[in-house]
Amino acid sequence: QVHLQESGPGLVKPSETLSLTCNVSGDSISGFYWSWIRQPPGKGLEWIGHVYYSGSTTYNPSLKSRVTISVDTSKNQFSLKLTSVTAADTAVYYCARSEQWLSWFDSWGQGTLVSVSS
Amino acid sequence: DIVMTQSPDSLAVSLGERATINCKSSQSVLNRSNNKNYLGWYQQKPGQPPKLLIYWASTRESGVPDRFSGSGSGTDFTLTISSLQAEDVAVYYCQQYYSTPLTFGQGTKLEIK
Repeated sequence: QVHLQESGPGLVKPSETLSLTCNVSGDSISGFYWSWIRQPPGKGLEWIGHVYYSGSTTYNPSLKSRVTISVDTSKNQFSLKLTSVTAADTAVYYCARSEQWLSWFDSWGQGTLVSVSS
Repeated sequence: DIVMTQSPDSLAVSLGERATINCKSSQSVLNRSNNKNYLGWYQQKPGQPPKLLIYWASTRESGVPDRFSGSGSGTDFTLTISSLQAEDVAVYYCQQYYSTPLTFGQGTKLEIK
């Protein structure tokens, strides 16, 4: 059974870059799409974007100018970078797996809270 | 973007009674080439990630109790819990995967009356 685990700083200063990594265990990262999804405290879910194991990406246009998602198949992990963060980027960040480019999310990490504050 | 709108925002149902949550998409999520609705449902309990319940609008994920069912087509969908159990208290989300960006409804909070 696949297990996803997010890691990274829990506090980022305004205007800096948020960086998170999702480690995938129990299954290969190959053959799947890997997403980042965020949830501001007490609010709903926002899809940030995904990366295919080959490295191709699709981003949410609302964040596209600030987002980079990459994959490292040798380490079975993928990463998120979000630049120029503001308080509005404070959220729980989840990594998740999909089987297709247009698909549901069948496995999720536990999520990690990232706060943006000076 | 396809906007997903759920109703109601919150719902209180007695144990053993039926709970119904609605989800409406701003455009059809039915792919006529394969006759599939690109719509999923998730359950999120406090402090936990969302859990997939339903995909293709009506296919139950493995291990999901059969009291959960999904229905609908095109732009209007429903998640039904036939007999509410205490462990079903959660926030429920619909999600469309017809086109990117993938989008979710705002959530429906389900409580015990």
